[in-house]
Amino acid sequence: GNSVTQMEGPVTLSEEAFLTINCTYTATGYPSLFWYVQYPGEGLQLLLKATKADDKGSNKGFEATYRKETTSFHLEKGSVQVSDSAVYFCALSDQSNTGNQFYFGTGTSLTVIP
Amino acid sequence: NAGVTQTPKFRVLKTGQSMTLLCAQDMNHEYMYWYRQDPGMGLRLIHYSVGEGTTAKGEVPDGYNVSRLKKQNFLLGLESAAPSQTSVYFCASSYPQWGMRITGELFFGEGSRLTVL
Repeated sequence: GNSVTQMEGPVTLSEEAFLTINCTYTATGYPSLFWYVQYPGEGLQLLLKATKADDKGSNKGFEATYRKETTSFHLEKGSVQVSDSAVYFCALSDQSNTGNQFYFGTGTSLTVIP
Repeated sequence: NAGVTQTPKFRVLKTGQSMTLLCAQDMNHEYMYWYRQDPGMGLRLIHYSVGEGTTAKGEVPDGYNVSRLKKQNFLLGLESAAPSQTSVYFCASSYPQWGMRITGELFFGEGSRLTVL
């Protein structure tokens, strides 16, 4: 079946530190991979995505590369800001005849301190 | 640009009461979903719909019912609320890309916080 495993938090970093949040997946087909971000009191919003192996998704200084050989999609940012404090979810989308189903990790809470 | 709108945003129920959460989207999306979010468990799919008049069970459907009478609306009902249904509920919608690998992203509402006493 399909599943997503991401590193547990919470993660606390100082401003301008380097961020990595690990995400690995299990899929039966050829999924698309996503990172969603949830700011306090809000719904999830798409941060970046990749649709095939070796694709790199990027947005707002965040990057993630679709690695089929290691079944991973790790999120990275070179220099985090206080405004990046949020919960980050890794997800995969399964191309299924029964609908465009999504599978989410449990989320990683990030707090960036000045 | 409304996107996905959920009502109500907050609700407190007593055990055994019933209620309906309404989700409306104005993006003409085919697919709609209801998730619940609980601490340490991420998002879990309750029910989903691939088009008007269709519904299907997700990972945790027990205790919930849904209806999709109009393409833009997806209703989540609790017939007899239980404390275990205390959660934050999110509605989402997406679109298929016919003839291509499906890569349509999910668009989320702001959530509905339900407390069952």
